[in-house]
This record gives sequence, structure tokens and C-alpha cells, in this order.
Amino acid sequence: GAGVSQSPSNKVTEKGKDVELRCDPISGHTALYWYRQSLGQGLEFLIYFQGNSAPDKSGLPSDRFSAERTGGSVSTLTIQRTQQEDSAVYLCASVLYNEQFFGPGTRLTVL
Amino acid sequence: GENVEQHPSTLSVQEGDSAVIKCTYSDSASNYFPWYKQELGKGPQLIIDIRSNVGEKKDQRIAVTLNKTAKHFSLHITETQPEDSAVYFCAAEGTGNQFYFGTGTSLTVIP
Repeated sequence: GAGVSQSPSNKVTEKGKDVELRCDPISGHTALYWYRQSLGQGLEFLIYFQGNSAPDKSGLPSDRFSAERTGGSVSTLTIQRTQQEDSAVYLCASVLYNEQFFGPGTRLTVL
Repeated sequence: GENVEQHPSTLSVQEGDSAVIKCTYSDSASNYFPWYKQELGKGPQLIIDIRSNVGEKKDQRIAVTLNKTAKHFSLHITETQPEDSAVYFCAAEGTGNQFYFGTGTSLTVIP
């Protein structure tokens, strides 16, 4: 069946611009994570959505980062006024019974 | 919060030999430990996991061991094949559904 999809796969933007990254989770999965993966590093937790509960935003690195999940399905991660240090691969994962299913990621490059 | 350390960062083995990757964690409340394999340009994929009520789990050529007293867990791959070459991540589930990842091990299997 269809896995987790993310778009765009690659995004190049200029410093100071806003970007929106999209995640389409697996249908029926109620939980969703966003992570950031910098070169040669592990995955850094950003935000967690579970059903209709308030999201756990404790991993968002600054108030330039926000995320929403509409209708308990599609999620968007927005980064405002991008900085060069925001360059990374952004991964989302939908969750079933603790198991995380990752999308292919969006590679963000801020020039 | 939880802190996960992973060693080695790179590992090269001859085809057919075994590979072992080790992780330690700090939060004794963690009770779920997944391992992920990430191939170039793809998101991480779960390969095996273990819960704290089990000391060892095996799935064909892959096994994971957990020592809760010492707070460490290890991935063992036997009879390695070139297609095992990838980056492997360990993780520990902390409180609040957050996952903490190691920094990854780049495994190269030499034919």
C-alpha cells in the first residue's frame, strides 16, 4: 500500500524566505512526528501530533517553526524567515502501535 | 531528558562477517528501543525493535540485545551482505512519546 509521502523532495530557498513542507501520512495512522536530520547527525525531534490532543511542540527550535495537522491527516511544517542553519533534511513519520513509518524526507537548502 | 549514544560512527566489515553496533541510554524509564536502517536518499526504516521486558530478539540475520541494568542495547548482523550497507540508527522512547536517536553508524560491507 501507499507509504508516507513528503513534498517537495528538494527545496532551495533564499535566506529570509518562508517555506512550507508537506507530509501525507499513512491513512488510519493517528500519530505523526516531524524530525530534522542534519548532515551526519541523528534525528532531532521537532513536534508530535496524536489524534485530537494538543501537539507536543517541545522540540521546535525557535518560534520561526510551526506545524499543523489538518483533519488528523496531512501535516505541514512551516519555517518562517529561513536561516542557513535551517538547511537539513526534514522527515515526517506516521505511527501505528509505536512503529514509525518514515517518509523520504524533504531536503531543504537555504542559500 | 533521554540521551542516546551510539558507537561506532563508521564500521567496515568483510562480506560474511558479523557487525555489531552499540548504544547506551540514560533514562531508566525508557522501555522501547527500535533500530532503523537508512539507505541513501530514503527515510529510516524500522528493522527490529525490543521492549524492556525482553533481553534478546532475533529476526533471521538480525538480533538485538538489551541490558536494562547497564542501560545499553546492541544490534547484531550476522553473515553480512553488500545490501546491508547503510546507516543504522538506534533510538529510545522516552517520556511523552518522544524518541531520542543515536547519531548513526555508517556500515560498509566489502564484497
